[in-house]
Amino acid sequence: AQSVAQPEDQVNVAEGNPLTVKCTYSVSGNPYLFWYVQYPNRGLQFLLKYITGDNLVKGSYGFEAEFNKSQTSFHLKKPSALVSDSALYFCAVSPDGGSSYKLIFGSGTRLLVRP
Amino acid sequence: NAGVTQTPKFQVLKTGQSMTLQCAQDMNHEYMSWYRQDPGMGLRLIHYSVGAGITDQGEVPNGYNVSRSTTEDFPLRLLSAAPSQTSVYFCASSYLETQYFGPGTRLLVL
Repeated sequence: AQSVAQPEDQVNVAEGNPLTVKCTYSVSGNPYLFWYVQYPNRGLQFLLKYITGDNLVKGSYGFEAEFNKSQTSFHLKKPSALVSDSALYFCAVSPDGGSSYKLIFGSGTRLLVRP
Repeated sequence: NAGVTQTPKFQVLKTGQSMTLQCAQDMNHEYMSWYRQDPGMGLRLIHYSVGAGITDQGEVPNGYNVSRSTTEDFPLRLLSAAPSQTSVYFCASSYLETQYFGPGTRLLVL
């Protein structure tokens, strides 16, 4: 079965420190990969995507993600965390490539950045 | 642009009642989707549409119906609400591999 795993329910980091939110996937073919962020009582907002090309993709708000095909991972990173980055982060995959309107989501990781 | 709008924001239903969750987008996107969000489970796809008049089932379609008579609107109908349908529902439209989500509808079925 196709799936996305976010192994950490919560990640805690101090402001100014680097952060990593982990994501691994299990799909066949060449998937498209995404990160979305959800702030309290809001819908999801797009952060970044990997379709093809450079394994390091840059997105909104200083976030970046590294695609690793051999490890089937797509970890979200930021060099210096801000308190305002505290939110719920979702990794998602489009197993059919361009069919990004039917995503498979991970369970989400809550990021808490302490001052 | 208003983007993707959803109504109502919150609804309480009794078991067996029916209702329609409204979703509209003003970006002229062909693709639209409905997801439900439950704690610890992320978002799961209910139904999706690739254009007016074309819909298909997602991962968890049972108990829900959809139709797409116009590009702008994609309503989700609960035929006979059950407590298992208590959830937060998100509608999204898609363009160039990016989904744009509405603010959600919180549904409580008693």
